[in-house]
Amino acid sequence: KQEVTQIPAALSVPEGENLVLNCSFTDSAIYNLQWFRQDPGKGLTSLLLIQSSQREQTSGRLNASLDKSSGRSTLYIAASQPGDSATYLCAVIGNEKLTFGTGTRLTIIP
Amino acid sequence: EAGVAQSPRYKIIEKRQSVAFWCNPISGHATLYWYQQILGQGPKLLIQFQNNGVVDDSQLPKDRFSAERLKGVDSTLKIQPAKLEDSAVYLCASRGGGNEQFFGPGTRLTVL
Repeated sequence: KQEVTQIPAALSVPEGENLVLNCSFTDSAIYNLQWFRQDPGKGLTSLLLIQSSQREQTSGRLNASLDKSSGRSTLYIAASQPGDSATYLCAVIGNEKLTFGTGTRLTIIP
Repeated sequence: EAGVAQSPRYKIIEKRQSVAFWCNPISGHATLYWYQQILGQGPKLLIQFQNNGVVDDSQLPKDRFSAERLKGVDSTLKIQPAKLEDSAVYLCASRGGGNEQFFGPGTRLTVL
């Protein structure tokens, strides 16, 4: 059974800093990995989807990497802004199903 | 293109009452999912439909939860009777031909 872990559970950093969120998974037989953002009381917004054949994906200030062999992914956020404050969830995609981590609650301090 | 629509956005009920949630997926998406997200946790899959057939309902508490997708488009998720531990956000997602799932805004259920 696939298990997805995100560490830390919460993170606070001053505005402008670069930061890394971590995601690890137990079963490397995945199709893709996806990072989501969730604002309080809202649904999920897809940030980046990494195909299993890719090692990284970039969108603006966000860069996500994937290392299937070690069962790890990271989400790098450059030059953080207060608007980046949210919960970030990673999910692995296998056999048409998403298995989510518990998320990292990020607070950017102005 | 319009996204996944869900209603209501919020619902407060007392335990032992019934409640129903509605989802309208992205047009043309054959696969539809319902997830339950308890506060502080990641979403957990409840049921997956392919058109109007159930693909996976292994984590659906069938003694109180039911879901249907009669015409292969809209779907409803029902809880009868509700328990305190059902308080959560219920998310609907749909998927077309690729691997990416698109999520609706969710319905936040509070059971008192």
